[in-house]
Amino acid sequence: EIVLTQSPATLALSPGERATLSCRASQSVGSDLAWYQHKPGLAPRLLIYDASNRATGIPARFSGSGSGTDFTLTISSLEPGDFAVYYCQQRFNWLFTFGPGTKVDIK
Amino acid sequence: QVQLVESGGGVVQPGRSLRLSCAASGFPFSSYGMHWVRQAPGKGLEWVAIIWFDGSNKYYADSVKGRFTISRDNSKNTLYLQMNSLRAEDTAVYYCAKDLPNIVATIGFDHWGQGTQVTVSS
Repeated sequence: EIVLTQSPATLALSPGERATLSCRASQSVGSDLAWYQHKPGLAPRLLIYDASNRATGIPARFSGSGSGTDFTLTISSLEPGDFAVYYCQQRFNWLFTFGPGTKVDIK
Repeated sequence: QVQLVESGGGVVQPGRSLRLSCAASGFPFSSYGMHWVRQAPGKGLEWVAIIWFDGSNKYYADSVKGRFTISRDNSKNTLYLQMNSLRAEDTAVYYCAKDLPNIVATIGFDHWGQGTQVTVSS
């Protein structure tokens, strides 16, 4: 089973600041990685698919990069609605796993 | 617009069974792979199972393999999760989720339901 590690666990930032979230896989997943935003009481929201492609309706301030084992989600300038938990997700041989999440908190 | 509506959650004793449903609308249900994902209290997201668009293949997380069964009825636009031998650690909000089109992406769940709560307790 491929294990995903996300860092940091919590990121405390102010609106307007840049957020850089990391996701590392225990073995190569190529570009089979997605990022989601999740707020309490709501359904998760797909941000990035296939490592670097923004999903429909996702603002350009969200970007994804990386391949193999190391991936990054960048939020170029945090807006008030961006404070949430962010998960990476991988697919390998039709089995999927999520990382433990990074909570982006208001500083 | 795409809608996914889960139902069937509730409180159940350990060892008993429960069947969840997910009613889909707003897209050609029979053309898409579908998933179940859960979130236990205070925990992160956990993928549970996938079923291919035509039901021909199904895959499960190790934590539920042999106890849970994913299925679909394309004539009713409905996804199911049969959960047997339930344990306290199965307590979670269960979401159904739709795959992106295979020609567009290899990974990405682009629409999710609002979830249904399952509580396993004596």
